[in-house]
Amino acid sequence: GENVEQHPSTLSVQEGDSAVIKCTYSDSASNYFPWYKQELGKGPQLIIDIRSNVGEKKDQRIAVTLNKTAKHFSLHITETQPEDSAVYFCAENTGNQFYFGTGTSLTVIP
Amino acid sequence: NAGVTQTPKFRILKIGQSMTLQCTQDMNHNYMYWYRQDPGMGLKLIYYSVGAGITDKGEVPNGYNVSRSTTEDFPLRLELAAPSQTSVYFCASHFGSEQFFGPGTRLTVL
Repeated sequence: GENVEQHPSTLSVQEGDSAVIKCTYSDSASNYFPWYKQELGKGPQLIIDIRSNVGEKKDQRIAVTLNKTAKHFSLHITETQPEDSAVYFCAENTGNQFYFGTGTSLTVIP
Repeated sequence: NAGVTQTPKFRILKIGQSMTLQCTQDMNHNYMYWYRQDPGMGLKLIYYSVGAGITDKGEVPNGYNVSRSTTEDFPLRLELAAPSQTSVYFCASHFGSEQFFGPGTRLTVL
């Protein structure tokens, strides 16, 4: 559960465009994959999550996809807005512990 | 509910000093966590607890201690502060799948 890789580390998009952030993990026992948004000076906040028995989940402009065979999952944000600018973290849950990616700093240019 | 609260917000320590970072949650969650976040990195788990009286080490426990005498409180203790412990510390509680994070404590050791 310790190895979660996240790409890219920084991402700039024009307002209205889509943003995609990808994560890979190594522990096949992982069964829960949350995504967090962290605004400056604040703690991370859960924005969407997916369980291992589901391939895709959508919540308005945000979607997450999971490929358990390839051990990767992705966050998709459509119609980006300036308030989407933040640092995004993926994580995977194994047992009682959560392991986090290194974060993606997303900037939405008005 | 106040959620997860942390004190202090900021602290500067000298090498060798000790301090306790406080964390309290009012949601009656059994699971609580302490993470540290270094610049450009994800969150690393220091210690966690699955209930009052039970604690366990995470990825980076060296130099820290915790206790969990009540469901609400989960303090983190630094006995001999070192520059390597300069970081932002987040406490979190966990219910179901979702982790709820506190606002963080920014600690500098000089």
